[in-house]
This record gives sequence, structure tokens and C-alpha cells, in this order.
Amino acid sequence: IAGITQAPTSQILAAGRRMTLRCTQDMRHNAMYWYRQDLGLGLRLIHYSNTAGTTGKGEVPDGYSVSRANTDDFPLTLASAVPSQTSVYFCASNSYNEQFFGPGTRLTVL
Amino acid sequence: KQEVTQIPAALSVPEGENLVLNCSFTDSAIYNLQWFRQDPGKGLTSLLLIQSSQREQTSGRLNASLDKSSGRSTLYIAASQPGDSATYLCAVVSSSNTGKLIFGQGTTLQVKP
Repeated sequence: IAGITQAPTSQILAAGRRMTLRCTQDMRHNAMYWYRQDLGLGLRLIHYSNTAGTTGKGEVPDGYSVSRANTDDFPLTLASAVPSQTSVYFCASNSYNEQFFGPGTRLTVL
Repeated sequence: KQEVTQIPAALSVPEGENLVLNCSFTDSAIYNLQWFRQDPGKGLTSLLLIQSSQREQTSGRLNASLDKSSGRSTLYIAASQPGDSATYLCAVVSSSNTGKLIFGQGTTLQVKP
């Protein structure tokens, strides 16, 4: 692995279902982030983690949860998906305040 | 609340032109500013990072400047090529929220052969 990987690449999900988006980095960066990107709204921060064991809320946290059990992994969970959560989700990590992004997960909630 | 604006939203130029993309931010108390490139359906690639104490950064044909007092940054692309066609995003880290990026909505550039 080199950099940040995200899985799945894309997913179609029925409303009300639970979904976890996975993010793994091999750069040993302490800080990690989840953003969503929507047409006309740009990228918005959902949740972040400054270091393993800590998490914080971003600009649009409602309906999402995260955990940070170790340095490498930062999963994002939608407990009960709704159509407004249809978006492209990007995971990122931070080294000396320069951010590096994963390839994204395209999620469609029907 | 910090807001980042990029104008224009879209730009089309012939190959070979030098061009400037603009980014403005409302709160000059930033920690740094970062320019990204995003190709359709892809993730973001970091192009240049300017710390708050710096005035500019250069990488190849790209030059980014920062004027904190006026809340502006520009990305200069020299001798544009069709391969430069992409969306360019500007983002700032505010001093009070180190690490959290606030993005502009991007400028979509098309370079015509």
C-alpha cells in the first residue's frame, strides 16, 4: 500500500441501511479527516481525528460516526443512510499541515 | 467564519497561454493555504502548499502566491497544456483550527489544443 486507500470505490445503498466506508493510510500520519464533496457545495469536513484514540466533529457531522482505534485506519459509519447522504466521500491524512487525499468513495442512497 | 471563494468557476483557454486562477478568503488569520488539482471522478492531488509566513511557492510551471493581508492567493500556470485541464481547488487552514481545511468550490479549467 502506498498512501491512502478507500473502500469500496462505489456503493449503492438502500435508505435505512447501515454502511461503513473504510480508509487506511500507511504513512503513519497522526491526523486524518473525512470530507464529502457535493456539486455546488464543494468539500465539507464531516469528522476528523488528530491522533489515534481521539475524534472530533467537523462542519457536517450529523448522521455519521467515526472511530480511530489505531493510526492507520479511520472508518466512517452511516448508521441509517438517508438519500441526502448521496455524495462522494474522501478520506485524507495530514503531515505538517499538508493534506493528502484518498481516491474517494461514490455513495448513492436510494 | 472563514469562507473561501474561487473566481471564475470555469475557464477555457487555448494551449500555450499563461493563466491565473484566483482564490480569496475572508479571515486573514490562516495557518497555510494549499492548492489542489482534481481530475474528473478522481481524488485530490496536492500541488502547492504555502505557509502563512511565505509569499510564494513554485513547482515546475506552477507558481502560487499568497497575500494574507488582502486575503488572496493566485495560482499561475505557465504555458498551459491540454493535460492541465482539471478542477483546481484552493483550501486554507485557519489558525484556530490547525489541520482542518476549508475549501473553495474550485475553478474548472479547460485547455484546448
